[in-house]
Amino acid sequence: GAGVSQSPSNKVTEKGKDVELRCDPISGHTALYWYRQSLGQGLEFLIYFQGNSAPDKSGLPSDRFSAERTGGSVSTLTIQRTQQEDSAVYLCASSLAAIQETQYFGPGTRLLVL
Amino acid sequence: AQSVTQLDSHVSVSEGTPVLLRCNYSSSYSPSLFWYVQHPNKGLQLLLKYTSAATLVKGINGFEAEFKKSETSFHLTKPSAHMSDAAEYFCVVSDRKDSSYKLIFGSGTRLLVRP
Repeated sequence: GAGVSQSPSNKVTEKGKDVELRCDPISGHTALYWYRQSLGQGLEFLIYFQGNSAPDKSGLPSDRFSAERTGGSVSTLTIQRTQQEDSAVYLCASSLAAIQETQYFGPGTRLLVL
Repeated sequence: AQSVTQLDSHVSVSEGTPVLLRCNYSSSYSPSLFWYVQHPNKGLQLLLKYTSAATLVKGINGFEAEFKKSETSFHLTKPSAHMSDAAEYFCVVSDRKDSSYKLIFGSGTRLLVRP
């Protein structure tokens, strides 16, 4: 079916505001990942979901970042009290199962914090 | 911990000439290695993947990579560059934790193709 989709494609916000980024994984994929791509840090892992297991949050940069995955499908990444250093492209990926290493990426959400 | 180093931030070639993008990895066990490509304003696309089968891996669009354990390298090559190959390329190693994986990305190599 369709690939990984993300919305919005672009988001401009003011410092201090909260933002929500959405990811729709490929149908049937049970594993979902969030990554961040920024000029200074390159591509870095943020968080991982697999089924109903507790997520691996080891990559989240601060407690302003959180994510949830409802019903084992759609995921939302929330950034509270955004800072300028949060400006980046946020990428979502999914894989068929946790033990499947090949991840398929969405087009990303480009976030700009003014 | 796993890591990858892409030795060139930019590579410039003429159309029709060979492409070589270099990657070295560090891993405490037999790694899985990938090359992804990112065209401007597009998502990351998997080019090819090595998972301990054949050491020479063929990917899409005529790209291939060779896993050399003795050199801890996984360089990406293509015999003849096309203008459409201009993009950023990422060498990636899979970091296994328990029964899950996260991808560790290199810093990327931007390929420029001159007409």
